[in-house]
Amino acid sequence: SQTIHQWPATLVQPVGSPLSLECTVEGTSNPNLYWYRQAAGRGLQLLFYSVGIGQISSEVPQNLSASRPQDRQFILSSKKLLLSDSGFYLCAWSVRGGLVETQYFGPGTRLLVL
Amino acid sequence: DAKTTQPPSMDCAEGRAANLPCNHSTISGNEYVYWYRQIHSQGPQYIIHGLKNNETNEMASLIITEDRKSSTLILPHATLRDTAVYYCIVRGETSGSRLTFGEGTQLTVNP
Repeated sequence: SQTIHQWPATLVQPVGSPLSLECTVEGTSNPNLYWYRQAAGRGLQLLFYSVGIGQISSEVPQNLSASRPQDRQFILSSKKLLLSDSGFYLCAWSVRGGLVETQYFGPGTRLLVL
Repeated sequence: DAKTTQPPSMDCAEGRAANLPCNHSTISGNEYVYWYRQIHSQGPQYIIHGLKNNETNEMASLIITEDRKSSTLILPHATLRDTAVYYCIVRGETSGSRLTFGEGTQLTVNP
């Protein structure tokens, strides 16, 4: 069966520090991968998605970036965190192809920028 | 994507069926109805989806009206662990990669 991992589970970082969040998927090949952010008490905002190694699409301009160095690895990064980057970061995957793809979410990383 | 409307909160007694409604009156012919839930501090969990026919899996049943303008998610025997925010999402091929989560329904299962 497929599983999705995210780490770390929680993170407290000072403003201006760098960020690296990692997501890996097991049990599937060539997945579509997604990064979402959920601010406190609000809905999910799609940040990035990827349909293959090195292929990244950005949904929202910001100081975050994403990379996909391997087929089942998706990384979210920032060079300098802002207070507004605090939130719950969720990685998701879906099987590529088909009319509508079901997305499955990881456990999330809770980031607090102070 | 079609907009969905859900009640903000519902209560259910443990062991009873929980019926969560969703209105999607502007749904188009090729759009699916998806249900997810999010337990506090966890990632959203996929529950079920359907297009026209009613669907059932090990978690829940999805009843879609004949005109497809509304649907109901049924948890047949709710447990305390089913307490969560339940999201009804309408999604079609024009949705791209985005899953648009609305406010959802906070379901509280009481002992």
